[in-house]
Amino acid sequence: DTAVSQTPKYLVTQMGNDKSIKCEQNLGHDTMYWYKQDSKKFLKIMFSYNNKELIINETVPNRFSPKSPDKAHLNLHINSLELGDSAVYFCASSQGWDTIYFGEGSWLTVV
Amino acid sequence: DQQVKQNSPSLSVQEGRISILNCDYTNSMFDYFLWYKKYPAEGPTFLISISSIKDKNEDGRFTVFLNKSAKHLSLHIVPSQPGDSAVYFCAARPGNTPLVFGKGTRLSVIA
Repeated sequence: DTAVSQTPKYLVTQMGNDKSIKCEQNLGHDTMYWYKQDSKKFLKIMFSYNNKELIINETVPNRFSPKSPDKAHLNLHINSLELGDSAVYFCASSQGWDTIYFGEGSWLTVV
Repeated sequence: DQQVKQNSPSLSVQEGRISILNCDYTNSMFDYFLWYKKYPAEGPTFLISISSIKDKNEDGRFTVFLNKSAKHLSLHIVPSQPGDSAVYFCAARPGNTPLVFGKGTRLSVIA
């Protein structure tokens, strides 16, 4: 019973395609996040939602669009994929600003 | 602008000895600090935390020390075990805001 689960785990796709990564948490948390770990290994926040409302939107291209249908789900849709989008994307959740719990990551490779 | 710095990308330690992972930060407003552990192909998992009102927090083999005047945080693991081999991320936040992560230090515990 995974607490934060995201799919797919691995994704290889061509430049220009549109793809989505789904995330679900069963911890009852009210806050969900998307983090990106790029080739330099930094874990950087992209978005944060609290009770389905966007509260943080870091400097991310508008090709990236998060969607939260309910507070247990936060999906990430990426349009017109570019080579530089290749990274590991981690979904995470927390109760308020407490300890963050991460999913296993989605390895995106754009070719 | 790296607010959280882990200057050692890797560390090797003999099994049974002490592992010391270091972290420096620049933002004096940080008031909550965490360590996460990450195995390959998995998401980071929470390990231990400390608030700025304390200078030490211990949990089993893991102890985190905070030196606010030096803006320095360290994680001690004793005794180190092969299963501790992972990447360790230092993270911090100022008040109710998202965590800022360091680049991580890869610990290898040699049997």
